[in-house]
Amino acid sequence: EAGVAQSPRYKIIEKRQSVAFWCNPISGHATLYWYQQILGQGPKLLIQFQNNGVVDDSQLPKDRFSAERLKGVDSTLKIQPAKLEDSAVYLCASSTNSGNTIYFGEGSWLTVV
Amino acid sequence: RKEVEQDPGPFNVPEGATVAFNCTYSNSASQSFFWYRQDCRKEPKLLMSVYSSGNEDGRFTAQLNRASQYISLLIRDSKLSDSATYLCVVDIQLISNFGNEKLTFGTGTRLTIIP
Repeated sequence: EAGVAQSPRYKIIEKRQSVAFWCNPISGHATLYWYQQILGQGPKLLIQFQNNGVVDDSQLPKDRFSAERLKGVDSTLKIQPAKLEDSAVYLCASSTNSGNTIYFGEGSWLTVV
Repeated sequence: RKEVEQDPGPFNVPEGATVAFNCTYSNSASQSFFWYRQDCRKEPKLLMSVYSSGNEDGRFTAQLNRASQYISLLIRDSKLSDSATYLCVVDIQLISNFGNEKLTFGTGTRLTIIP
């Protein structure tokens, strides 16, 4: 079974530039998550989708971060403009509706210089 | 107070020893509890769920104390391959969205097994 796919794996941008990350969850998983993991910390939930609706985006910095899951399958996370403190790994994860085991992708490593 | 607190370590333990990690959580409404393992520069992966009665999976034992809001993980006969960061995870089911879990991760405890 294919896992959660993410791209790009690595990205280096200058501050104030924009970046977009893409995620394709495990087939059939209705719930999709974006987490931010800063070095030395645990993953922090940015946004959670149930199909194409937002369930929780309370920790998403909405002035610069946006995410969408238009067709209820794959998702895009955008940062514009980026700040130095956005340097982190952006982890996409998915789970079934009723199950609470979530499966992570390998992550997209962002460095803002 | 953080929602999920863990001792960040690092724990440097000789091979074959027993090591225990602790975790506390602040929200008494928390429903489910897990331990995830994260290898260096890799994504987190589920190690085991934590049940009220305590559960064991081979060399790993997880326990939950709801009254004290405390979770533990015990690793017996540690192996070199156990070296990783262990993340305590607490699930608060969103009241407004029945069936949708909200997982909150601790900062993780880093474990290194020494030959």
